[in-house]
Amino acid sequence: NAGVMQNPRHLVRRRGQEARLRCSPMKGHSHVYWYRQLPEEGLKFMVYLQKENIIDESGMPKERFSAEFPKEGPSILRIQQVVRGDSAAYFCASSPARDRVNTEAFFGQGTRLTVV
Amino acid sequence: AQSVTQLDSHVSVSEGTPVLLRCNYSSSYSPSLFWYVQHPNKGLQLLLKYTSAATLVKGINGFEAEFKKSETSFHLTKPSAHMSDAAEYFCVVTSEAYSGGGADGLTFGKGTHLIIQP
Repeated sequence: NAGVMQNPRHLVRRRGQEARLRCSPMKGHSHVYWYRQLPEEGLKFMVYLQKENIIDESGMPKERFSAEFPKEGPSILRIQQVVRGDSAAYFCASSPARDRVNTEAFFGQGTRLTVV
Repeated sequence: AQSVTQLDSHVSVSEGTPVLLRCNYSSSYSPSLFWYVQHPNKGLQLLLKYTSAATLVKGINGFEAEFKKSETSFHLTKPSAHMSDAAEYFCVVTSEAYSGGGADGLTFGKGTHLIIQP
């Protein structure tokens, strides 16, 4: 059972371009979470999705950022018109259920976005 | 509201000596606490978690942590460091008042970089 797969591992974009980050959850997992780690900071929650539904996007910037988790295929975090301040590591996690005690969220290796 | 403070950004120990990574938290409710480890070019891996059961929690690779409510601390320890322990360690808090389970209510510390000297 492969772990959470994120690609690309590294992404370089010029200011104003679009960035698309992909996350394939572990097999059997239907919950996906995106976190962002700015330089010298801890990971910050962005968005929680289930298949075809956004459950909680309280951590998403109001503009330029969007996320989806379609019925088929990976979850996508999309950043439009990137700016230098978007440079960060973006981590995806997945879990099988929202069990209070037994759930463990498994994290991917992250995508390191650099905006030049 | 909840927060977590990792008191040291870098910790350096010699191989074979004890490891202590410090973490203090604040939470309005009964917290669940976790330690995650991130090795270079790897994803985050759960080391151990506290969810209101025994206050001394044993994790993988010989690590353990003790929940001390009076001190609002959850320090991570290991009796004898190994070279393979060199990594970034994150202390994480969530609260039962949050939806519970999953990974949407996690608050991460800024991380402690553990360096092992040969």
